[in-house]
Amino acid sequence: AAGVIQSPRHLIKEKRETATLKCYPIPRHDTVYWYQQGPGQDPQFLISFYEKMQSDKGSIPDRFSAQQFSDYHSELNMSSLELGDSALYFCASSAGQGGTGELFFGEGSRLTVL
Amino acid sequence: AQSVAQPEDQVNVAEGNPLTVKCTYSVSGNPYLFWYVQYPNRGLQFLLKYITGDNLVKGSYGFEAEFNKSQTSFHLKKPSALVSDSALYFCAVRDMTTDSWGKFQFGAGTQVVVTP
Repeated sequence: AAGVIQSPRHLIKEKRETATLKCYPIPRHDTVYWYQQGPGQDPQFLISFYEKMQSDKGSIPDRFSAQQFSDYHSELNMSSLELGDSALYFCASSAGQGGTGELFFGEGSRLTVL
Repeated sequence: AQSVAQPEDQVNVAEGNPLTVKCTYSVSGNPYLFWYVQYPNRGLQFLLKYITGDNLVKGSYGFEAEFNKSQTSFHLKKPSALVSDSALYFCAVRDMTTDSWGKFQFGAGTQVVVTP
């Protein structure tokens, strides 16, 4: 079965550079969530989209932005990168928002900021 | 606000022994509870969920969880642990308040170590 696809899987950037992460949800899933997981920490919710509109916002820095496109894939744009942005970034998808279903997670994109 | 607590950072168990990973929750309405497992450098894999119905929920890989409303708990259990069960386990509650649109709130995670 198709899963959530994230790219790139690994990314190395310098401080103050920009990075873009991509997420392709499971087919027919219309809701996408972004999470950030620091070393030894639980996933922290960043932002979510439903039907291409932002549906909820968590602890996403102002330097980050995201959007969901007409094909439901989503991109997380990170600018002015800081050392503390080094983390594993997960995308998850679900069918519909506010429902009872589980989230399906991608394998994550590991960002290292040097 | 919804919250989830996993009181144990790590659980150690010998292979073949029962495994329990504890989780307590706090929600303002009906709880929607989930368990996920994470292997090193991998994404979170869904194990099971409680929405309504029977308090004992069966999930993947032989895991089950018992929903206890009076104790606001949702402990994960496996009757006989395997070495391959060694991983990081997260309990999560789905925030169903109207301003959160189903956002998942995760616990801090419990590292399970199963020794041969």
